[in-house]
Amino acid sequence: GQQVMQIPQYQHVQEGEDFTTYCNSSTTLSNIQWYKQRPGGHPVFLIQLVKSGEVKKQKRLTFQFGEAKKNSSLHITATQTTDVGTYFCAASYGKLTFGQGTILTVHP
Amino acid sequence: GAVVSQHPSRVICKSGTSVKIECRSLDFQATTMFWYRQFPKKSLMLMATSNEGSKATYEQGVEKDKFLINHASLTLSTLTVTSAHPEDSSFYICSAWDRGQGNTIYFGEGSWLTVV
Repeated sequence: GQQVMQIPQYQHVQEGEDFTTYCNSSTTLSNIQWYKQRPGGHPVFLIQLVKSGEVKKQKRLTFQFGEAKKNSSLHITATQTTDVGTYFCAASYGKLTFGQGTILTVHP
Repeated sequence: GAVVSQHPSRVICKSGTSVKIECRSLDFQATTMFWYRQFPKKSLMLMATSNEGSKATYEQGVEKDKFLINHASLTLSTLTVTSAHPEDSSFYICSAWDRGQGNTIYFGEGSWLTVV
């Protein structure tokens, strides 16, 4: 079936360092969504990207959608301990299909 | 506050019994809801798509007779795990599609099921 690949699986950073997670699809996506799941919590919607080459920012978070609409990235500048959690991309192939997620840990 | 409420948040049941999990959209009507299963430190695996007033669409490998889904109203979908076994222990999470202004999918808080 349709899949979206997400890397890396784990990322450990020192507080203040940057963090990036990437998602790739073999097929063109109509849109891509990003979610954050805190440990023990449920996924929370962060953003949806629709347009080719789209870049959106939310404070220290920058989301990009590739020109070919096959890849996307989430970049966090100067991580904080509150950023810990698992970040998922999700692509809509008629139904929402999640990437494997990137587990982010931040060492103070 | 939460726009999708899931209940119960935690449940322990004995092997062989059935347990029902409810998913309610609080602020909007949801013709489509989704049920996922998540293992620790793993991604969300879609189990089925629940459509109001019609049969659910199950993903490949998901036993529809074991995981009964009912979406009888525009604000409520239920997942019943029948004849539960310890291997059914997992985190079950629902989401509801708000096709209104935001066209956003909201997740419930999830339900931890432990089968003993």
